[in-house]
Amino acid sequence: GESVGLHLPTLSVQEGDNSIINCAYSNSASDYFIWYKQESGKGPQFIIDIRSNMDKRQGQRVTVLLNKTVKHLSLQIAATQPGDSAVYFCAERPNTGNQFYFGTGTSLTVIP
Amino acid sequence: DVKVTQSSRYLVKRTGEKVFLECVQDMDHENMFWYRQDPGLGLRLIYFSYDVKMKEKGDIPEGYSVSREKKERFSLILESASTNQTSMYLCAHWSGTDTEAFFGQGTRLTVV
Repeated sequence: GESVGLHLPTLSVQEGDNSIINCAYSNSASDYFIWYKQESGKGPQFIIDIRSNMDKRQGQRVTVLLNKTVKHLSLQIAATQPGDSAVYFCAERPNTGNQFYFGTGTSLTVIP
Repeated sequence: DVKVTQSSRYLVKRTGEKVFLECVQDMDHENMFWYRQDPGLGLRLIYFSYDVKMKEKGDIPEGYSVSREKKERFSLILESASTNQTSMYLCAHWSGTDTEAFFGQGTRLTVV
């Protein structure tokens, strides 16, 4: 079966610092990798994705890095703000089938 | 705006009751999913459906069934609720070609 995991279940950062959330995956055949943010009491919301033929993608204050050699994915949040406090999930979508596979999540707490 | 509506935010049911969780999407997507979310375990797939009247078991289908009679509606059924089914239940849908799946706000079910 698929295995998508995260290195740390919790992460605390000072407001204004950069955050890095890591994820390991096991399926070399995955086509897309996706980061979701889940705020308290809400469903997960899409943040950013990266296709398997890329190694870096930038959004607004977020950057996703993909290292296919070691099957590692990371989400970097620049100048972390209190509103970034949430649980972050990585997900992979294989290039066949209709499923997404999610990691266990990292809870990010931003200290004012 | 994308809209995924889950019928209830909070639900309390008694052991042995039959429980229906409803999910409705307005994007005409073929694929719909039910996940449960538990601390430290992330999102685990219960069932998914790739078309009307079609269903596939996910990773943890035991104790659950589903119904997809209309494209926009995907129901999760707990035939006889048990306390170990106390969890957050998340519905999602996906076009099949877009990158990400869209999630509802979740239903927190407590079985007493």
